[in-house]
Amino acid sequence: DAKTTQPTSMDCAEGRAANLPCNHSTISGNEYVYWYRQIHSQGPQYIIHGLKNNETNEMASLIITEDRKSSTLILPHATLRDTAVYYCIVRVAKDSSYKLIFGSGTRLLVRP
Amino acid sequence: NAGVTQTPKFQVLKTGQSMTLQCAQDMNHEYMSWYRQDPGMGLRLIHYSVGAGITDQGEVPNGYNVSRSTTEDFPLRLLSAAPSQTSVYFCASSVGQYNEQFFGPGTRLTVL
Repeated sequence: DAKTTQPTSMDCAEGRAANLPCNHSTISGNEYVYWYRQIHSQGPQYIIHGLKNNETNEMASLIITEDRKSSTLILPHATLRDTAVYYCIVRVAKDSSYKLIFGSGTRLLVRP
Repeated sequence: NAGVTQTPKFQVLKTGQSMTLQCAQDMNHEYMSWYRQDPGMGLRLIHYSVGAGITDQGEVPNGYNVSRSTTEDFPLRLLSAAPSQTSVYFCASSVGQYNEQFFGPGTRLTVL
């Protein structure tokens, strides 16, 4: 199973872009990269996912390197409400099923 | 839609007691999962289901049983609670294996 490595914590100023890195050097060709976040003790919230192309939605952008061994989640204009733990996850395929294996995540603190 | 609901929100058990954590979703999602989250840690997959009548084990299945008799419900059973099962339990569902997972609010379980 592909594993992910993320920094334990990061911070950024409100209104600035937050760039959260993730290493997944053992990812295989058919595995997707997912990002979720968890605000305080709530259930995790889906942000974005991608395979090999860069993706953008209303919440964030996902940049995946050409070799797919790492990716970066970009929150373009971070707000205080973006303070959360961010999880980079590689989706494991088993037969026709799926599993999401969560790591420890990056604790992002957005400063006023 | 209510989304993913979990009951109870809080529960205290004594060692050896049994109980069932309830999870229901009203989005007609085929895929449902149970995770546990220990303090300061990421989520770990316990069991998952790809449809009614089909379940499979995740990372940490020991001590837990599941069944999926309907699309809507995915209960998690603790047969003989142990202090090591003190954790926050999250249920999640998704429409398909490639789609975002929707998480419930969690059940906080303490085993004395």
